[in-house]
Amino acid sequence: DIQMTQSPSSLSASVGDRVTITCRASQGISNSLAWYQQKPGKAPKLLLYAASRLESGVPSRFSGSGSGTDYTLTISSLQPEDFATYYCQQYYSTPITFGPGTKVDIK
Amino acid sequence: QVQLQESGPGLVKPSETLSLTCTVSGGSISSYYWSWIRQPPGKGLEWIGYIYYSGSTNYNPSLKSRVTISVDTSKNQFSLKLSSVTAADTAVYYCARDTRTTIFVGYGMDVWGQGTTVTVSS
Repeated sequence: DIQMTQSPSSLSASVGDRVTITCRASQGISNSLAWYQQKPGKAPKLLLYAASRLESGVPSRFSGSGSGTDYTLTISSLQPEDFATYYCQQYYSTPITFGPGTKVDIK
Repeated sequence: QVQLQESGPGLVKPSETLSLTCTVSGGSISSYYWSWIRQPPGKGLEWIGYIYYSGSTNYNPSLKSRVTISVDTSKNQFSLKLSSVTAADTAVYYCARDTRTTIFVGYGMDVWGQGTTVTVSS
């Protein structure tokens, strides 16, 4: 199985801050990486796929980068609606695996 | 647009079988892969398995001995059965559309149901 790790596990930030979340896979996943946003009591929402491609309708303040085993999600200017938990997911091979999540809350 | 809705009992007794159905509306179940994912209270996401509309399946090895996913294209539904449940199977269960194809890994899970809470308790 490919293990996914994320850092930090949580962070506190203010509206307008630039936020970066890191995801690392235990082996290369050829950019087969997605990022999801989950708010309390709601289903995850696909934000980015193929490491850097923005899902339709997702604001451009979200961006992704990386290759091989290391990937990042960046929110360029945090908005009130962005306070949530973010998960990375590899879909390169089965079993599909998710990172443990990064909770972004208000400072 | 495509919408997914999970349904099934919210309470299951230990050692019994959990059964859930996901109904696909606004589009056809054909030509896609369909996944089940679960999330224990306060924890992260765990992929359970997926099924292709043709019926081929792929399960998480950690659950494989207890999981069966099936599809009913005539009803535009797919289902999950998890046998011999314990309290550790208490979770919110989600169904989702997986964008992979038979020759391409796809780009993740783009449509999700709202989730259904299943509690395992006597």
